[in-house]
Amino acid sequence: ETGVTQTPRHLVMGMTNKKSLKCEQHLGHNAMYWYKQSAKKPLELMFVYNFKEQTENNSVPSRFSPECPNSSHLFLHLHTLQPEDSALYLCASSQERLAGGRVGYEQYFGPGTRLTVT
Amino acid sequence: RKEVEQDPGPFNVPEGATVAFNCTYSNSASQSFFWYRQDCRKEPKLLMSVYSSGNEDGRFTAQLNRASQYISLLIRDSKLSDSATYLCVVPSGGSYIPTFGRGTSLIVHP
Repeated sequence: ETGVTQTPRHLVMGMTNKKSLKCEQHLGHNAMYWYKQSAKKPLELMFVYNFKEQTENNSVPSRFSPECPNSSHLFLHLHTLQPEDSALYLCASSQERLAGGRVGYEQYFGPGTRLTVT
Repeated sequence: RKEVEQDPGPFNVPEGATVAFNCTYSNSASQSFFWYRQDCRKEPKLLMSVYSSGNEDGRFTAQLNRASQYISLLIRDSKLSDSATYLCVVPSGGSYIPTFGRGTSLIVHP
């Protein structure tokens, strides 16, 4: 299996449920990201992990809790969500590299989890 | 100025047309830029990297204008399959913290 995979692809949960989203990358990258994409809105960066260390938390509510046990896996734990949290949650990975003296970090995205909170 | 700005469109063009999008950015220290393509209800996919010297890949050409702080994407001989949203990405902060634009919608019609 190659690339970035995400499970589940679709999730419907009530506001009192607890669920987890899983992301796995098979690209040997050193950084992983969670994004939220709501209808007609730009991609919103939520969390960044670089070498398993969380380096960015973009003012995300505490009802979203990330976990990065190793450089290939990333989880997003969800609890007591609100209907406005319904969105497409995308995972991505990247590898910082130098090419001709230029820094590059092309991101590769998983297919996303479409979350509906009822 | 917002960190990354794009005209949302839609750009509605016939097959075979040439179309260009711009993306302006505010961080003058940015080094690497990217264009992504996102189809409806799908994940973004990397289209092209944009470096100082520009980049060309078949019908697609990406350019960087540092003085005016914008990048551009030119699509020649548009195909129906080019219909999608095109997202530009500019780093902010560290070299691995990307900021996405809102995207420009392209519709290519017969």
